Amino acid sequence: GAGVSQTPSNKVTEKGKYVELRCDPISGHTALYWYRQSLGQGPEFLIYFQGTGAADDSGLPNDRFFAVRPEGSVSTLKIQRTERGDSAVYLCASSFSGAEGYTFGSGTRLTVV
Amino acid sequence: KQEVTQIPAALSVPEGENLVLNCSFTDSAIYNLQWFRQDPGKGLTSLLLIQSSQREQTSGRLNASLDKSSGRSTLYIAASQPGDSATYLCAWMDSSYKLIFGSGTRLLVRP
Repeated sequence: GAGVSQTPSNKVTEKGKYVELRCDPISGHTALYWYRQSLGQGPEFLIYFQGTGAADDSGLPNDRFFAVRPEGSVSTLKIQRTERGDSAVYLCASSFSGAEGYTFGSGTRLTVV
Repeated sequence: KQEVTQIPAALSVPEGENLVLNCSFTDSAIYNLQWFRQDPGKGLTSLLLIQSSQREQTSGRLNASLDKSSGRSTLYIAASQPGDSATYLCAWMDSSYKLIFGSGTRLLVRP
């Protein structure tokens, strides 16, 4: 596609529920990143995929967070047993390799009530 | 642990002023440094990318410099316009292509 697409754009869920956030990267981009941005802060790194494999998942805050990219294109960030502190904007970015910089999507605003 | 600090946190200027946004980082083992713009409720738009071997990059009214020895980068905006109002984020990239962001500078350019 022309840009990085993230769906849904907004998600409201109840505490304790499971959510999935989807990222559709630019066609041909092998590198895919997930970041989380809290209000008034810069984005924080969560996980980086190179192809199908997670090259670096050191930013995932705990084992309730998990991400997959089974075919090396679309990625899904999964959050189990959501907590109010998970409320944030979740940003996805893709790149050919990472070295030349990324293109970010518009994000998914997750609100846990 | 790499830390990226942006000063000031917020800035309000009249239209037409030249202004400088500052970014400092603690780890000089930098791969590249990027400046992004973020409009309210939107994603990030890349403005300028400076490779570690470069000193500066220019695009239109924007100029970004990088001084690895002092751990600083500046974004210079010439002849500011109301449409420049946004949050500006700097991000340090390491050799594994992971970005570490500052908290941003919220810029308001008053007509």
